[in-house]
Amino acid sequence: DAGVIQSPRHEVTEMGQEVTLRCKPISGHDYLFWYRQTMMRGLELLIYFNNNVPIDDSGMPEDRFSAKMPNASFSTLKIQPSEPRDSAVYFCASSRTSRYNEQFFGPGTRLTVL
Amino acid sequence: QQQVKQSPQSLIVQKGGISIINCAYENTAFDYFPWYQQFPGKGPALLIAIRPDVSEKKEGRFTISFNKSAKQFSLHIMDSQPGDSATYFCAASMLVGGNQFYFGTGTSLTVIP
Repeated sequence: DAGVIQSPRHEVTEMGQEVTLRCKPISGHDYLFWYRQTMMRGLELLIYFNNNVPIDDSGMPEDRFSAKMPNASFSTLKIQPSEPRDSAVYFCASSRTSRYNEQFFGPGTRLTVL
Repeated sequence: QQQVKQSPQSLIVQKGGISIINCAYENTAFDYFPWYQQFPGKGPALLIAIRPDVSEKKEGRFTISFNKSAKQFSLHIMDSQPGDSATYFCAASMLVGGNQFYFGTGTSLTVIP
């Protein structure tokens, strides 16, 4: 299995631009998570899906952030408009429903907003 | 509110020494406690995990000690090696909460040769 795939790996954009991050979870996994990692705040859970349905989006910082999961093999995290404080590494992770689960993380997307 | 508190924030250990990272939680509904290891430029990866029905779990040089009454758990890395230099995250989850993990803030470990 290729693992969780994220694209792009690096994104540099200017303030005010729209940014779309993409994630392909591991086949057969029914949970998908979006995290943001910064030095100041560590790993923050932004939103997670179960069977393509958003379960908890309380970690989404503000309305500029939105996430979708149109099917079991694809999810996007969109920031519109982007701001310099959104600069971070964004991780996607997936897991299978089980009593004691393991989340598998992708390689992350490093976002820099100038 | 941080559900899982982790310390120290950073740790420097000599090669061959013991690295100890501590975590504490409040929610007694947590029933699964994994540790994740993250190397620079990579995503976190599961290192070792424990359930609260045991007090210790060992895998090679890595050991989790779990104290249910104190609501604390810790990661011990024996004979620490430079290749162990990474960021370590503790986490907790509960069955009724689905598959959501509550992560600690991370510990940056540096093992000096």
